Amino acid sequence: NAGVTQTPKFQVLKTGQSMTLQCAQDMNHEYMSWYRQDPGMGLRLIHYSVGAGITDQGEVPNGYNVSRSTTEDFPLRLLSAAPSQTSVYFCASTRGGRSAGELFFGEGSRLTVL
Amino acid sequence: AQSVAQPEDQVNVAEGNPLTVKCTYSVSGNPYLFWYVQYPNRGLQFLLKYITGDNLVKGSYGFEAEFNKSQTSFHLKKPSALVSDSALYFCAVREGNFNKFYFGSGTKLNVKP
Repeated sequence: NAGVTQTPKFQVLKTGQSMTLQCAQDMNHEYMSWYRQDPGMGLRLIHYSVGAGITDQGEVPNGYNVSRSTTEDFPLRLLSAAPSQTSVYFCASTRGGRSAGELFFGEGSRLTVL
Repeated sequence: AQSVAQPEDQVNVAEGNPLTVKCTYSVSGNPYLFWYVQYPNRGLQFLLKYITGDNLVKGSYGFEAEFNKSQTSFHLKKPSALVSDSALYFCAVREGNFNKFYFGSGTKLNVKP
């Protein structure tokens, strides 16, 4: 099983450029989410989705867009990158609804905005 | 508001000694509690979880955690540390029936030979 797959693993952008971080899972999980990890701040939730066609904001959604057209995919879009978005991004998924399941994480995408 | 606190940025132990990584939480409903480990340049890996039942939960790699409702704590423990346990550890809480997970800031565990 591939689990949660993120691409790219590394990316360097210039301020104002746009890009999409891809996330795919093959576990038929309803719930998918994006986190950013910054030193000393742990993981902060950016956006999440409880199923195809349904998304919602997390703690730090500004500057990021998401969509969920299929159960498997949950891309994260940066429309106009800023240096403050330099971070490591993680996609994670789990069973949805009343399940008490744990999150499964991808390997991360390291983004640098110059 | 839901939150998780890991009061120690770093924990240092000698190989073979017991280790404890602390976590306290705050939720308005019944908590689902989790511990994850992160090795350098890797994603987070699930160690163990508490949902209900026995307050002592056993997980991967010999780790265990003790749920204490009165102290709202969920400390991670291991009887005998290994150098290979050195990593970043995160505590997380998922509130009841909701789909949001809240993570602590992480604790770096250093196990020295």
